[in-house]
Amino acid sequence: DAGITQSPRHKVTETGTPVTLRCHQTENHRYMYWYRQDPGHGLRLIHYSYGVKDTDKGEVSDGYSVSRSKTEDFLLTLESATSSQTSVYFCAISGQGRGKNTEAFFGQGTRLTVV
Amino acid sequence: AQSVSQHNHHVILSEAASLELGCNYSYGGTVNLFWYVQYPGQHLQLLLKYFSGDPLVKGIKGFEAEFIKSKFSFNLRKPSVQWSDTAEYFCAVNGGATNKLIFGTGTLLAVQP
Repeated sequence: DAGITQSPRHKVTETGTPVTLRCHQTENHRYMYWYRQDPGHGLRLIHYSYGVKDTDKGEVSDGYSVSRSKTEDFLLTLESATSSQTSVYFCAISGQGRGKNTEAFFGQGTRLTVV
Repeated sequence: AQSVSQHNHHVILSEAASLELGCNYSYGGTVNLFWYVQYPGQHLQLLLKYFSGDPLVKGIKGFEAEFIKSKFSFNLRKPSVQWSDTAEYFCAVNGGATNKLIFGTGTLLAVQP
């Protein structure tokens, strides 16, 4: 498995509190992604990064922010958690160029419950 | 805008039946195409990918997919499914300078013994 670690793996938080999820990689890959997975919706892209300090919004970015201050870490912050953000969050990484480096490797996921 | 459509949301097959899952994408430039599988309680794993060359791509566990550029399609096939193929299958596309990676909504496959 690719060196990608998500923390925490499980979290329960209260509505209105800020929450930060961390994705850490040891592969030195350029691209990093945050998705949420919900039944019937597949994986929806929240934000992604194409380099240090270079990020862009995905399909469902409202209520989320990200930061990437170094290659290995990509942080996802829920600014004020709501119950609609209860989900499983996956981080993914991929390299640069065509062929093998283009495939994405996924973390184990973070199950977030907002009560 | 980049998008991916999977038309089959839930498929039920008996063992040894043939499988074909549809995937269509929308993107104006050169793309890389992928099929991922997610077994219950696990994260996504790559089944196969296409980025250039032979449009018929073979992956792991006997899966294959055919890229038809004129139809913007990348359908997944397997001639004979097994109970262990029960999982959710996702089609994905990426491209462009920022390598944005988009997934379809997934197809849940249940194989009955």
